[in-house]
Amino acid sequence: GNSVTQMEGPVTLSEEAFLTINCTYTATGYPSLFWYVQYPGEGLQLLLKATKADDKGSNKGFEATYRKETTSFHLEKGSVQVSDSAVYFCALSGLSEKLVFGKGTKLTVNP
Amino acid sequence: EAGVAQSPRYKIIEKRQSVAFWCNPISGHATLYWYQQILGQGPKLLIQFQNNGVVDDSQLPKDRFSAERLKGVDSTLKIQPAKLEDSAVYLCASSYLAGVSYEQYFGPGTRLTVT
Repeated sequence: GNSVTQMEGPVTLSEEAFLTINCTYTATGYPSLFWYVQYPGEGLQLLLKATKADDKGSNKGFEATYRKETTSFHLEKGSVQVSDSAVYFCALSGLSEKLVFGKGTKLTVNP
Repeated sequence: EAGVAQSPRYKIIEKRQSVAFWCNPISGHATLYWYQQILGQGPKLLIQFQNNGVVDDSQLPKDRFSAERLKGVDSTLKIQPAKLEDSAVYLCASSYLAGVSYEQYFGPGTRLTVT
């Protein structure tokens, strides 16, 4: 079945540092790939998505590129802020639309 | 545009008691989902509705969990009787077709503690 593997957290960075959160997937066919973010005390929010190979999703300074050859969708940001502290989830959806999530990576950014 | 609404936000019950959660999706969204998020894990789909029909309930523990979506709008998820391992956040989401993929919008969740 479909599955998503995320790098283990937690991740702690200083403000303005470079962020990478690794995500790899296993799926049949050509899934759509997503990054969701969960801020403390809030629900899940869609951060960005990509629907086909080599697509780059981007939002709020975050980027991720759909790499079919390495079955990866790594999340990156060039300069993190304290307000980026949250839990980040990588997810995929296939034909059924249901989302399959990774376990999440908690990011803490210190001033 | 109003988001996905859920209630209650928090619930504490004893094991073997019953509990119900309510969800109101975004207006016009035909597909509704219930997910269970255990602490430290990603959300896991329990059930997916298309209008008022069930599309996928393969991971719903049907001996104790039930869900319905009357009239294709609001939905309720019930647990009866609850077990300690049901302690989790229950998330409701609804989706619409954005381009070539569906985007899901999540409610704030209901945090259930079973003691």
